Amino acid sequence: AQKITQTQPGMFVQEKEAVTLDCTYDTSDPSYGLFWYKQPSSGEMIFLIYQGSYDQQNATEGRYSLNFQKARKSANLVISASQLGDSAMYFCAMRERSYNTDKLIFGTGTRLQVFP
Amino acid sequence: EPEVTQTPSHQVTQMGQEVILRCVPISNHLYFYWYRQILGQKVEFLVSFYNNEISEKSEIFDDQFSVERPDGSNFTLKIRSTKLEDSAMYFCASSVGGGTEAFFGQGTRLTVV
Repeated sequence: AQKITQTQPGMFVQEKEAVTLDCTYDTSDPSYGLFWYKQPSSGEMIFLIYQGSYDQQNATEGRYSLNFQKARKSANLVISASQLGDSAMYFCAMRERSYNTDKLIFGTGTRLQVFP
Repeated sequence: EPEVTQTPSHQVTQMGQEVILRCVPISNHLYFYWYRQILGQKVEFLVSFYNNEISEKSEIFDDQFSVERPDGSNFTLKIRSTKLEDSAMYFCASSVGGGTEAFFGQGTRLTVV
């Protein structure tokens, strides 16, 4: 069963505008973590932001914020004031925390293109 | 800023050969991982390693694969008898704890010809 779903294969946004990248997840574990990674064309995976399932506040890191809606099982990434350098693939990932599970499960990614 | 380092950045090998991909995790991290990403596809978990043993492995991680931490700094992935379908980007990652964010290396692009 698909555990992480990213329904937007591609998104376009104009420079300086905000953009939301969608991510929904499926787990029965009450304890889990949600992550967003950026993969530029050079290929490396860059950690952006983390949200724990018990965190009361939505995570923020600079221009990145995570819109965490636990009841809807969604963890959308919001990038404010987009920059040309934000053009990349973005992956949502989940880590389930249990005694015998220690891995990240990734979505299929969203390719974001920022235009001037 | 500390980072995960992978070598080589690109490896080309003939089908049937053995390759060793090398990683130097962040020094105070205790959990180590290998992931792979076939071109244009999503990132897939291969194996996690903690306390000098495999803590979890995926169905992809069969007898063709092995991992080792030969000294206090390196973490290696060995692929025996490579196949064309092993061509992918291989990422090493490390984290300080089992539930914390994992930091990825820049990847090794393996091409099997």
